[in-house]
Amino acid sequence: GAGVSQSPSNKVTEKGKDVELRCDPISGHTALYWYRQSLGQGLEFLIYFQGNSAPDKSGLPSDRFSAERTGGSVSTLTIQRTQQEDSAVYLCASSLASGGAQETQYFGPGTRLLVL
Amino acid sequence: AQSVTQLGSHVSVSEGALVLLRCNYSSSVPPYLFWYVQYPNQGLQLLLKYTSAATLVKGINGFEAEFKKSETSFHLTKPSAHMSDAAEYFCAVSATGFQKLVFGTGTRLLVSP
Repeated sequence: GAGVSQSPSNKVTEKGKDVELRCDPISGHTALYWYRQSLGQGLEFLIYFQGNSAPDKSGLPSDRFSAERTGGSVSTLTIQRTQQEDSAVYLCASSLASGGAQETQYFGPGTRLLVL
Repeated sequence: AQSVTQLGSHVSVSEGALVLLRCNYSSSVPPYLFWYVQYPNQGLQLLLKYTSAATLVKGINGFEAEFKKSETSFHLTKPSAHMSDAAEYFCAVSATGFQKLVFGTGTRLLVSP
């Protein structure tokens, strides 16, 4: 079946511009996660959505970062006024919610963001 | 809170040799532990996971890991390395009430002929 898809696969932007990254989770997965992978910080959690519950935003590094999930499916991560330190690979993952924290998270291929 | 330590940012083995990638965890509650593999320019793929059933867990591609509570370890092993195993490997931890994965810094496995 189809896995997690992300778009665009690569994004180059200028410092100060806003960017939107999209994630399509696996059909039927009610949990959705965003992570960031960078040379300096490794793999770090950003935000978690579970059904209609309020998202866990505890990993967002600043108020320039926001995310939404529409209709319990597609999610968009928005970075406003991008900075060079935002350059990283942004990974999306989804999982079934029924098993909670022991459920496998399935990852997309990521969006590679470069801020010039 | 949870944390993971992976000893060795790079591990080099010869084809056919034993692979051992180390992972130690810290968790204030019973953990769930995962090993993921990442090939160049790809996302993460699950190799195996520990969810409090059997302490010896077998995964894909001949990998296995053993959960040792007394040592707070979850090391990944494979008896005989193959060239196709060259990739980056990440150990991660989660726990009930802590849905997010906390990752180690990763270990790059290099396999030489």
